[in-house]
Amino acid sequence: GAVVSQHPSRVICKSGTSVKIECRSLDFQATTMFWYRQFPKQSLMLMATSNEGSKATYEQGVEKDKFLINHASLTLSTLTVTSAHPEDSSFYICSATRVNNEKLFFGSGTQLSVL
Amino acid sequence: GQQVMQIPQYQHVQEGEDFTTYCNSSTTLSNIQWYKQRPGGHPVFLIQLVKSGEVKKQKRLTFQFGEAKKNSSLHITATQTTDVGTYFCAGPPTGNQFYFGTGTSLTVIP
Repeated sequence: GAVVSQHPSRVICKSGTSVKIECRSLDFQATTMFWYRQFPKQSLMLMATSNEGSKATYEQGVEKDKFLINHASLTLSTLTVTSAHPEDSSFYICSATRVNNEKLFFGSGTQLSVL
Repeated sequence: GQQVMQIPQYQHVQEGEDFTTYCNSSTTLSNIQWYKQRPGGHPVFLIQLVKSGEVKKQKRLTFQFGEAKKNSSLHITATQTTDVGTYFCAGPPTGNQFYFGTGTSLTVIP
């Protein structure tokens, strides 16, 4: 099956620093990548949808200057949490599809803790 | 954005009992997918339903898509401890945005 690799799996940082999370599709070209945020015992909240070579589409209420998404190639998307604050602490998880409306393949997620 | 609600939010069952989770969308869905997330893990795709009224089975799991394509259900027969996790439905209204339901957390008591 298709594999999506996400790094790092866990990061602890000081308030005010920026954190970059990478999401790679290892054995397929991802037409679209999605970034989700998940709080403990809650659902996945879609943050943004990105397509290779174009600007990401952010969901309402998600600050695009705060959560920078770069989809530089068909196999790599990055999420940068800029000037992180404690309220940004959360589980961030990426996913990818090979074909539109096909199933999602998820990365293993990144637990971000901002001190 | 689209709202996809699931009930119940939590369900505790004795091993061997049946379990059902229901998914309701505020808009018509072109398709619906179901995912399972084990504690500490990431969501894993279970199945996709496309046709109105479609019913699909995977061993002890039965998935159904409503006639109006706005609701769906997942039924597990004779639950086992390996069924523990949170079950999410997800469906794009149009285009390729994937919105997840609120999820149902299943606990199976041995």
